[in-house]
Amino acid sequence: SQTIHQWPATLVQPVGSPLSLECTVEGTSNPNLYWYRQAAGRGLQLLFYSVGIGQISSEVPQNLSASRPQDRQFILSSKKLLLSDSGFYLCAWSSGGEQFFGPGTRLTVL
Amino acid sequence: AQSVSQHNHHVILSEAASLELGCNYSYGGTVNLFWYVQYPGQHLQLLLKYFSGDPLVKGIKGFEAEFIKSKFSFNLRKPSVQWSDTAEYFCAVRTWAGSARQLTFGSGTQLTVLP
Repeated sequence: SQTIHQWPATLVQPVGSPLSLECTVEGTSNPNLYWYRQAAGRGLQLLFYSVGIGQISSEVPQNLSASRPQDRQFILSSKKLLLSDSGFYLCAWSSGGEQFFGPGTRLTVL
Repeated sequence: AQSVSQHNHHVILSEAASLELGCNYSYGGTVNLFWYVQYPGQHLQLLLKYFSGDPLVKGIKGFEAEFIKSKFSFNLRKPSVQWSDTAEYFCAVRTWAGSARQLTFGSGTQLTVLP
């Protein structure tokens, strides 16, 4: 069966520090991968999606970037975090139907 | 661009009460519709989905939803809620544009069921 992992689960970082959040999927090949940010009362905002290795599409202009170095690995990064980057980040995968979500990472930028 | 509206931000019910959460979307073409649920401290998980066929779909844990195309709606229902249904519920719409990115979520409805 397929599983999706995200780490870390919780992260506290100072403003201006770099960021790297990792997402990996097991049990499937060539999935579509997604990064979302979930804010209270605002639902899920799609940040990036990827249909294959090295293929990244950005949905909103922001301080973050994404990379897909391997088929089942999706990384969310920033060179310098802003206070406004605080939030709950969710990774998801899909094979064309519904999306399956990871446990999320709670990021607090101080 | 498509949008999804969930008008109820927070719903509070007593156990055994009936539930209906509204979801409306704006898109004139073919859609796939989803309800996701996020229980406290757990992953976001699929509750039910509609792709085609019978517009009344049944999901897990006694939930159902009805797709009414003329009203652009996909409301979630449950005849008798339980305390364990306390969670946040998200409606999502996928438009068939052939792109991986076309899944739009509503802002969510927090359901609190009082014992």
